[in-house]
Amino acid sequence: DAGVIQSPRHEVTEMGQEVTLRCKPISGHDYLFWYRQTMMRGLELLIYFNNNVPIDDSGMPEDRFSAKMPNASFSTLKIQPSEPRDSAVYFCASSKGTGRKGYGYTFGSGTRLTVV
Amino acid sequence: GNSVTQMEGPVTLSEEAFLTINCTYTATGYPSLFWYVQYPGEGLQLLLKATKADDKGSNKGFEATYRKETTSFHLEKGSVQVSDSAVYFCALSVRFYGGATNKLIFGTGTLLAVQP
Repeated sequence: DAGVIQSPRHEVTEMGQEVTLRCKPISGHDYLFWYRQTMMRGLELLIYFNNNVPIDDSGMPEDRFSAKMPNASFSTLKIQPSEPRDSAVYFCASSKGTGRKGYGYTFGSGTRLTVV
Repeated sequence: GNSVTQMEGPVTLSEEAFLTINCTYTATGYPSLFWYVQYPGEGLQLLLKATKADDKGSNKGFEATYRKETTSFHLEKGSVQVSDSAVYFCALSVRFYGGATNKLIFGTGTLLAVQP
């Protein structure tokens, strides 16, 4: 199993540009999560999906952020337009099950976004 | 509400010292509890978990016991190594009767630095 695959690993972009982050979850996992990690705020849950349907997007900071999951093997997080304060490491994670059995998440290696 | 509180770091220890990282939680419902570890430049990895009161999770010499009476899940290791240097996150996943929720809530993380 290749694990959760994120791309790109690093992204440097200019303020105002559109940024798209990509994630391929583990096959068979029915939950997918997008997190943002910064020194100031730690790990923040942005949005999560169950069976490709967005369940909770209350953590999405602004309308500039959007996420999609067109199928079970692919998700994107888009920022348009990007701002310097969006600079962070963005993690995708996937899991199987409802949590009643204590399934943990498998995280990708993250995308380090720098907006200049 | 649901939350996790971890001791602030950094925790600096000499090799072979005993480690404790405190974690307490507040939760509605019946949480599962987790410890994740993040090595520099990498995503989070599940270290251990416990799904009900008095369960003990263990992995790689680390262990933590789910204490419902004190709402705690402290991480311990008898003899740390330099390779254990990382950030450790405590987390909970809340589930409800008849429901299905799989949302992980993370603590702020504790940096462990082990010196030779």
